Amino acid sequence: QQQVKQSPQSLIVQKGGISIINCAYENTAFDYFPWYQQFPGKGPALLIAIRPDVSEKKEGRFTISFNKSAKQFSLHIMDSQPGDSATYFCAATLYTGRRALTFGSGTRLQVQP
Amino acid sequence: GAVVSQHPSRVICKSGTSVKIECRSLDFQATTMFWYRQFPKQSLMLMATSNEGSKATYEQGVEKDKFLINHASLTLSTLTVTSAHPEDSSFYICSARDFLSNQETQYFGPGTRLLVL
Repeated sequence: QQQVKQSPQSLIVQKGGISIINCAYENTAFDYFPWYQQFPGKGPALLIAIRPDVSEKKEGRFTISFNKSAKQFSLHIMDSQPGDSATYFCAATLYTGRRALTFGSGTRLQVQP
Repeated sequence: GAVVSQHPSRVICKSGTSVKIECRSLDFQATTMFWYRQFPKQSLMLMATSNEGSKATYEQGVEKDKFLINHASLTLSTLTVTSAHPEDSSFYICSARDFLSNQETQYFGPGTRLLVL
């Protein structure tokens, strides 16, 4: 059972445009939602994260929008740059002692110059 | 942010041999580390949770006798792939949480590329 669904699978955006990646979750016990950026051959790097008590969080060009009632959250990358070209994963974790991450399927973003 | 290292970064071995991968938290203590496996163009799949001083917790479908995990200290966890076969070829990534800060953030290592011939 896929607990975090991510879309689109791939995305092509022109330089300066807005990249939007969406995720939906099923388990209402999830209480922490991070986004990770991964370049080929590298481990994921934390980009930004949000808790369900806020609807939006912004850090630089990256914004998470969170809709608790719809059980959805999204990543917006403003002024997308070619250097943003990477695979992005959303994730969620339960508020338990283990705190294991459940990942979405990933989105390959390509920003064209 | 916190730093997690992995060694080796890539390894090629013959079928039937065992391979050990190390995961270290360099500037923080981690009572819990996680091991993931990632196939090309796919997402990260949790294999097991490594607990310092106790047995690892394996996800359903992961053979604990094949993927041996040892977490002997607060900064080191090892994954040993025993009797490796070509189907074990994959990208193995570990992550760790900062025990003292009690933050949810998991920091990932750079990954280890395993190729079994």
